[in-house]
Formats: sequence, C-alpha cells, structure tokens
Amino acid sequence: QKEVEQNSGPLSVPEGAIASLNCTYSDRGSQSFFWYRQYSGKSPELIMSIYSNGDKEDGRFTAQLNKASQYVSLLIRDSQPSDSATYLCAVSQLSGGYNKLIFGAGTRLAVHP
Amino acid sequence: KAGVTQTPRYLIKTRGQQVTLSCSPISGHRSVSWYQQTPGQGLQFLFEYFSETQRNKGNFPGRFSGRQFSNSRSEMNVSTLELGDSALYLCASSLVEGPQETQYFGPGTRLLVL
Repeated sequence: QKEVEQNSGPLSVPEGAIASLNCTYSDRGSQSFFWYRQYSGKSPELIMSIYSNGDKEDGRFTAQLNKASQYVSLLIRDSQPSDSATYLCAVSQLSGGYNKLIFGAGTRLAVHP
Repeated sequence: KAGVTQTPRYLIKTRGQQVTLSCSPISGHRSVSWYQQTPGQGLQFLFEYFSETQRNKGNFPGRFSGRQFSNSRSEMNVSTLELGDSALYLCASSLVEGPQETQYFGPGTRLLVL
C-alpha cells in the first residue's frame, strides 16, 4: 500500500465547474497536510495547508480533512483553464523525531473551455 | 522576499561523472529538503538538512549525498552518474519547525545523464 494515494487522472472538468481532488494516506500519526499545484515543466507551488479536521477555504480553493478516515481533499470552485495542472497531495510523517513530507503521485486536472 | 533559488537550472552529464547541485533557501529558513522527481516515481524524498545536520534521509543509494553550510545554503552531490539519475531535482526550504512546517520549492535543476 502506498503511503499517500491519489487518482492519477486525468480529471477532466468543464470551465466553471467544481473540481474535486482526493487523497488518502496510511500513517494515522500524520499531523499536517498540503496541496501543491505543479504546472508542466515547473516546480510545485503551495496552494493550501490544513492541520485540523474540517474545511479550510482560501478563495476558490477548499481543503477538507478527515483524520478518522485518513482522507484529505481539495475542491476548486469555478474551475478555469489556468487551473489545468497536476495537483500533489503531501502528508507529514514523523521519521527519526522529525517530520518529512511524503507526496502522492499527483492528479492531473484538465479544465476545458 | 526572494524565493528559493537553485543552480544550475539545467545540466547534461555522461554516465560515470559526478554532479553538484546548489540550493539557497528563503532568507531565515534553516531547513532544506531535497527531492528527486521522475515521471515514473513521482516526488521522492532524498534528505533534509537543518543547521548543517542531516535530519532525515530517504531510500537512495550512497551515491547521493548532501551538505548544508552555516548560511543554510545546501548542496547535493551525485557520484558515478547512471542513466536513471536523469530527473528534476527540487530543493525546498521551510521556516517553522514541528508539524506545521511548510515547505516552499525552488525552480529545480533538470539533470540529463547521457
């Protein structure tokens, strides 16, 4: 079982729709969760971080965390073609007394006009 | 505030050579992590340095090594390059320690091994 799992996609949504990206993780001790966006040929860019159960909203983005189900998601409202990218879920894992980030393989999102 | 910088941005090497990549973190950030990204394996953690000490290490062979200097700048070295080392090497720096530590990535160094 992979430590952080994401559907590789592509997830195709029409412009203006809600895109829903999902991520599950295996380490119940994980405390911090992040979503990064990566455009083709570029480096990952932080979109959201979430640490507590529930929802966290930032503009068109909402991160949702359910630690009991070991599940974190990212909703993108009013999707735009510029949102087309790979979205990486990252989960902190305690190792040797310090946290390190474990990344999922990413979900490719395609927003079509 | 300037972001994470990495040099060089692109490199072409041949098998058996060695390479050194450099990373300068965001000012004030003391933690630097290195990742390898390939299409097949995704983002793989290499190692993390904090205050010149390696705190964490991923599952990579000993050919991959790194260090951090007193000004928090970090270098990673790959010796005896193999074709499979062709990848995007990313450096990330972070400020806050503990579970709310957030990493910010540099632009990466794209390495091609021929």
